[in-house]
Amino acid sequence: AQSVTQLDSQVPVFEEAPVELRCNYSSSVSVYLFWYVQYPNQGLQLLLKYLSGSTLVKGINGFEAEFNKSQTSFHLRKPSVHISDTAEYFCAVSTQGGSEKLVFGKGTKLTVNP
Amino acid sequence: DAGVIQSPRHEVTEMGQEVTLRCKPISGHNSLFWYRQTMMRGLELLIYFNNNVPIDDSGMPEDRFSAKMPNASFSTLKIQPSEPRDSAVYFCASRAGRNTGELFFGEGSRLTVL
Repeated sequence: AQSVTQLDSQVPVFEEAPVELRCNYSSSVSVYLFWYVQYPNQGLQLLLKYLSGSTLVKGINGFEAEFNKSQTSFHLRKPSVHISDTAEYFCAVSTQGGSEKLVFGKGTKLTVNP
Repeated sequence: DAGVIQSPRHEVTEMGQEVTLRCKPISGHNSLFWYRQTMMRGLELLIYFNNNVPIDDSGMPEDRFSAKMPNASFSTLKIQPSEPRDSAVYFCASRAGRNTGELFFGEGSRLTVL
């Protein structure tokens, strides 16, 4: 079965600083990878996804993520964060050709301070 | 489109009472997922349906939980009897196509069992 580990439960940063949110996954088969964002009192929204092809994936709101198969990682980055990026970020994995369920990590709370 | 619609948004009940949560997926989506979110356990997949058929209910905590999808536009998650440890935010999500696609989440139903 697949699993996801988000190494940091909380990440505080200052506005306009770069940020990296870390995600590692475990699976015995090839995977699809996703990052979702959750703003307070809302459901989750898709930021970006990796299905195949280029390992660098660009998403909404200036976020990008890089798939690294050898390190089984899919870290999320943004070169300059805004106050409005304060939210919880979830990494998720599903397996290619297998179960269609999407398994989420426990989330990383990003707080952007002025 | 109206998005995924969940009701009620908030429910406060007493231990032992029956709770029914409702979900209307996005029209045309053929997969529906129920997740539970808590601080301790993060986002847990409870059950998912493809074309109204339950595919994987291995995440349902115990017999007190049941879920149905009588047609393509409606699903319920029932807890009977409810217990304080069931307090959580319950999310419904729907998706078109297979596991490469985006999950669209409702705003969640916050359940408090006293």
